[in-house]
Amino acid sequence: SQQGEEDPQALSIQEGENATMNCSYKTSINNLQWYRQNSGRGLVHLILIRSNEREKHSGRLRVTLDTSKKSSSLLITASRAADTASYFCATEGRGTYKYIFGTGTRLKVLA
Amino acid sequence: SAVISQKPSRDICQRGTSLTIQCQVDSQVTMMFWYRQQPGQSLTLIATANQGSEATYESGFVIDKFPISRPNLTFSTLTVSNLSPEDSSIYLCSVELGQGRENYGYTFGSGTRLTVV
Repeated sequence: SQQGEEDPQALSIQEGENATMNCSYKTSINNLQWYRQNSGRGLVHLILIRSNEREKHSGRLRVTLDTSKKSSSLLITASRAADTASYFCATEGRGTYKYIFGTGTRLKVLA
Repeated sequence: SAVISQKPSRDICQRGTSLTIQCQVDSQVTMMFWYRQQPGQSLTLIATANQGSEATYESGFVIDKFPISRPNLTFSTLTVSNLSPEDSSIYLCSVELGQGRENYGYTFGSGTRLTVV
């Protein structure tokens, strides 16, 4: 299985601080995505990074990808209470069309 | 980008019964995906549904337990059959977001929270 492993499993920070989550995977990928899930509901797509990209930004989000280490990180800057959610990475294996989700990081931002 | 309407949002079902979950997409899509998320866990792909052909199931999931219909390019159903408490999970459908998953990723339905008693 190429399921991603994410760490930390849970993260609690103060509002205004930065939050960093990491994802590691096992096989070659086409791309990697990050999703947010609030309270066990549907997932919201945050950002996609292709295997030939190293860094991508979207608003307060910064994603890096290191294919040599098979890892990615998601940085949320200046966190807000509304960022409290679970965050998942998902990888599309090379030669497949399916996404495999990581184990997730539960982020809690304290006001 | 595609918008998915998933129903029901939640249900409580008796053991041995079945629940059918519906996903309606506001645009035509080739592939629809069904996921299960057990309590406190990540998402696990159940099957991929293409219009006009049988669904492709992942290891550990079988058609008798999770029959899927895909009658057209905008609609799919997942049935969870012969329910047991172990089937209590959130079930989600997803489709490509925008023009091509390699650019835009996937969009998800709001999920169906199933509790089996």
